[in-house]
Amino acid sequence: QKEVEQNSGPLSVPEGAIASLNCTYSDRGSQSFFWYRQYSGKSPELIMSIYSNGDKEDGRFTAQLNKASQYVSLLIRDSQPSDSATYLCAVIGGSARQLTFGSGTQLTVLP
Amino acid sequence: KAGVTQTPRYLIKTRGQQVTLSCSPISGHRSVSWYQQTPGQGLQFLFEYFSETQRNKGNFPGRFSGRQFSNSRSEMNVSTLELGDSALYLCASSFDRETGELFFGEGSRLTVL
Repeated sequence: QKEVEQNSGPLSVPEGAIASLNCTYSDRGSQSFFWYRQYSGKSPELIMSIYSNGDKEDGRFTAQLNKASQYVSLLIRDSQPSDSATYLCAVIGGSARQLTFGSGTQLTVLP
Repeated sequence: KAGVTQTPRYLIKTRGQQVTLSCSPISGHRSVSWYQQTPGQGLQFLFEYFSETQRNKGNFPGRFSGRQFSNSRSEMNVSTLELGDSALYLCASSFDRETGELFFGEGSRLTVL
């Protein structure tokens, strides 16, 4: 079982729709969770971090964390073509303290 | 504020050679992490350096090594290159260690022939 799992996609949504990206993790002791965005040919950039159960909103982005289900999600409201990228879920485990990335979900927002 | 700088950006080597990649972190950042990114394996953690000491190491063979200097600049070295080492090597810096808030450089793309 991979430590951090994501649906690889590709995920396509029409412009203006809500894009929902999901991630599960295996280390129940994990405490810190992150979403990175990586445009094609570019390096990853941090867009959201979440540390406690519930929702965290930042503009059009909402991160959701459910530690009991070991599940993290990212919602992108009013999706724009400029949101087309690969979204990487990342987790700091309870024992291994390095940041571990999922394989990423490729999102395409269709104009 | 300057970002993370990696050099060289592109390089081509042949099997058996060795390579050294350099990373200059954001000013004031004390932690440097290295990742290997390939289409098949995604982003794989190599190691983290903080205060010139390796703090964490991923599941890579001993051919992969690194170091950090007193000014926080870091280098990684891969010896006896194999075809499978072809990848994008990303350096990321952060103010503190064991944080997920990383700032990535543009990467060094290594091709092994």
